[in-house]
Amino acid sequence: QKEVEQDPGPLSVPEGAIVSLNCTYSNSAFQYFMWYRQYSRKGPELLMYTYSSGNKEDGRFTAQVDKSSKYISLFIRDSQPSDSATYLCAIEAGKLTFGQGTILTVHP
Amino acid sequence: GAVVSQHPSWVICKSGTSVKIECRSLDFQATTMFWYRQFPKQSLMLMATSNEGSKATYEQGVEKDKFLINHASLTLSTLTVTSAHPEDSSFYICSARGVLRLNEKLFFGSGTQLSVL
Repeated sequence: QKEVEQDPGPLSVPEGAIVSLNCTYSNSAFQYFMWYRQYSRKGPELLMYTYSSGNKEDGRFTAQVDKSSKYISLFIRDSQPSDSATYLCAIEAGKLTFGQGTILTVHP
Repeated sequence: GAVVSQHPSWVICKSGTSVKIECRSLDFQATTMFWYRQFPKQSLMLMATSNEGSKATYEQGVEKDKFLINHASLTLSTLTVTSAHPEDSSFYICSARGVLRLNEKLFFGSGTQLSVL
């Protein structure tokens, strides 16, 4: 079993839709939870960073962590074509472990 | 925000040659830098952890004699792919850990696409 599981998609939505991206993890020792956005042939860009259960909102992005279920989510409201990218969840307990990444396409 | 510069962004080399990739933290001191490898449509796989002034720690299955890492200063780490082969062709990404407030966050370089002919 992988430490972090993420549905690779691809996911295609129309502009304005709400996008839900999810990851599950197996190690309850994980302490920090992050979402990165990666454009093609670029390094990942940190979007959200949280360490506790609950919701954290930043503009159109909401990160949700449920430690009891070992489940994290990223919601994107009012999605835009510029949101088209690969989204990676990352979880840390000493070192960073990435999910496989979900390829998202938002079409006009 | 913190900036990590990685150079070159792409490199093409002949099989058997060595290639050096640089990773610099521009506006903060990074005691720890990480090197990742990413194949197309796959996630980032940690290759090694580089600590300033000490030997790098390699992940299982990564050849330390092939992927030489040097972290000579608090702002610079280098990865040298020695005697490169076509199977070494990949996207290599570095990241640096800075201390921001009470949390340590990772910031990534823009990556290096290596193509070995």
